[in-house]
Amino acid sequence: QERLVESGGGVVQPGGSLRLSCAAFGFTFSAHGMHWVRQAPGKGLEWVTIVSYDGSNQYYADSVKGRFTISKDNSKDTLYLQMNSLRPEDTAVYYCAKDGVRCSSTSCLTHFYSYMDVWGKGTTVIVSS
Amino acid sequence: DIVMTQSPDSLAVSLGERASINCKSSQSLLYSSNNQNSLAWYQQKPGQPPKLLIYWASARESGVPDRFSGSGSGTDFTLTISGLQAEDVAVYYCQQYHSAPCSFGQGTKLEIK
Repeated sequence: QERLVESGGGVVQPGGSLRLSCAAFGFTFSAHGMHWVRQAPGKGLEWVTIVSYDGSNQYYADSVKGRFTISKDNSKDTLYLQMNSLRPEDTAVYYCAKDGVRCSSTSCLTHFYSYMDVWGKGTTVIVSS
Repeated sequence: DIVMTQSPDSLAVSLGERASINCKSSQSLLYSSNNQNSLAWYQQKPGQPPKLLIYWASARESGVPDRFSGSGSGTDFTLTISGLQAEDVAVYYCQQYHSAPCSFGQGTKLEIK
């Protein structure tokens, strides 16, 4: 059964850093891009970032560009989100999600993102002094 | 960047009736490589993560009841729930993956009338 488990959330002061992790189970992690999506309290979903199946390409939302870094370790089936210079508006539940398209060295060359077919339960980040 | 706008923001429908949620994109979502529209629909119940319902605008995810259907092309899309059931109470989101950054609509809250 495909499953994602996030960890690393917590309370951090403005300007601080936090690293989120997302452990993957039950699918070929190295063949799929991975997303982070966040949801502020009482608000809608906000797409944050995507990393390609092999970790070589990333896109970021403007709201986090230059502050957040996504990476994946295919040897450990784990996705990461390094969050620096955190702001109160970064307070949210952070979900990792598996991209629905299976990729290889001959596919997903330029367009490596799509729909999200497996989601974790989320980890909560609170940025407050 | 592509902006996704859903309507209505909230909707109340009687049990057994049809519910329709609209999603409009600021640019065409037609993907030339496969001639399909890069549009997905998700359902989110309180305290739960989102769940994928529909992708490529009209393809139903495995295990999703056939009362859920997606339609539309270009910039205008619709999620239809035929024969509303109590467990369908949720917030529904559309998402485009035609171009990065990916983006979601603001959500539509569906309730029972």
